[in-house]
Amino acid sequence: LAKTTQPISMDSYEGQEVNITCSHNNIATNDYITWYQQFPSQGPRFIIQGYKTKVTNEVASLFIPADRKSSTLSLPRVSLSDTAVYYCLVGDMGRSNYQLIWGAGTKLIIKP
Amino acid sequence: DVKVTQSSRYLVKRTGEKVFLECVQDMDHENMFWYRQDPGLGLRLIYFSYDVKMKEKGDIPEGYSVSREKKERFSLILESASTNQTSMYLCASSPGTSDYEQYFGPGTRLTVT
Repeated sequence: LAKTTQPISMDSYEGQEVNITCSHNNIATNDYITWYQQFPSQGPRFIIQGYKTKVTNEVASLFIPADRKSSTLSLPRVSLSDTAVYYCLVGDMGRSNYQLIWGAGTKLIIKP
Repeated sequence: DVKVTQSSRYLVKRTGEKVFLECVQDMDHENMFWYRQDPGLGLRLIYFSYDVKMKEKGDIPEGYSVSREKKERFSLILESASTNQTSMYLCASSPGTSDYEQYFGPGTRLTVT
């Protein structure tokens, strides 16, 4: 049963690159890593998902080392609107063995 | 545009009442989920469903039941509400081909007094 650990909070400034690391030492072979963003009074929103190495989309990159015991969400050139809580999610969504664990989230505050 | 709606944003109920939380998605998604969110605990899965009339227990199903009579609708039921069920309840859906990319509703803040 994978358990995730993330920093409780982080600060950064507009225009900077922000990296949020999630630790998941007990990740299983079938587990994927997914990151979500949540603004106050809203449900979480999917950002990115990966299994190994690097994944990039239009909003973020996800770096996963070979041992998969951690992952890093990278947000390039953040703005004030990136202030939110970011969740690291590790799990196996296979229907015969459904396991889905959410981290406690990292509150990211972007300053001007 | 993808949309998940929940019947109420705020709800106040008394201990012992039966509570229904409704969730509707308009994306023809196969999978639907109910979570509760509490400060410091992240999201915890209560129940999920992969198909109509099908349900699976999540991590914390005690005190809850669900119903999925139609593909687009997934209901969470608190048979006898208790104060420890005061929480934010979030519904989500996902297509069968991408279980990890879930679309969430805005949430229902339930207070049980």
